[in-house]
Amino acid sequence: SYELTQPPSVSVSPGQTASITCSGHKLGDKYACWYQQKPGQSPVLVIYQNSKRPSGIPERFSGSNSGNTATLTISGTQAMDEADYYCQAWDSSTCVFGTGTKVTVL
Amino acid sequence: QVTLRESGPALVKPTQTLTLTCTFSGFSLSTSGMCVNWIRQPPGKALEWLARIDWDDDKYYTTSLKTRLTISKDTSKNQVVLTMTNMDPVDTATYYCARQPGIAAVGGEFDYWGQGTLVTVSS
Repeated sequence: SYELTQPPSVSVSPGQTASITCSGHKLGDKYACWYQQKPGQSPVLVIYQNSKRPSGIPERFSGSNSGNTATLTISGTQAMDEADYYCQAWDSSTCVFGTGTKVTVL
Repeated sequence: QVTLRESGPALVKPTQTLTLTCTFSGFSLSTSGMCVNWIRQPPGKALEWLARIDWDDDKYYTTSLKTRLTISKDTSKNQVVLTMTNMDPVDTATYYCARQPGIAAVGGEFDYWGQGTLVTVSS
């Protein structure tokens, strides 16, 4: 079965850049999207179609996808960005979520 | 304004069947390309996709739970129902429904989610 692997945790200082990777076989041939989930809340879509931002998502969130890796980048990270982040893609007719990454803003 | 809301029992016993309802507004599941998905999240763990139903009534299930899941829709009531048979304590999780406004070929992202409903499986 298809798998998407993320680092369990990423730490970043306020104002710095956080990069979260999502690895899967030929992921670059698929569309990847990203969700932010804060404790006790539902996931929120922050990036879709590899690099597009939904309305209301700050410009500091950006995405890319090539080869076997999709990347979510948070530029100028703020304390409010501390959350769990999940990538997601479709493999044929099966939806796959990544393993999740906890972003800590130190 | 798009909203989704999950409803169902908070507690089920092992071996029982779980029935969850997703009631939505602000869109129609008759619209070409529209889909609704069910996703769950055990406490402290990652998201797990369960099932999807499309505007044309096509249905898809996660392989590992395919024999236990049934998804259906009532377009007139704006509802999607998920049933899961033979519940086990490991099925304890928050269950979410989410809208997917287009097929995977154009992204397949989930742009709106319900607030989730916690289902505990215990005797």
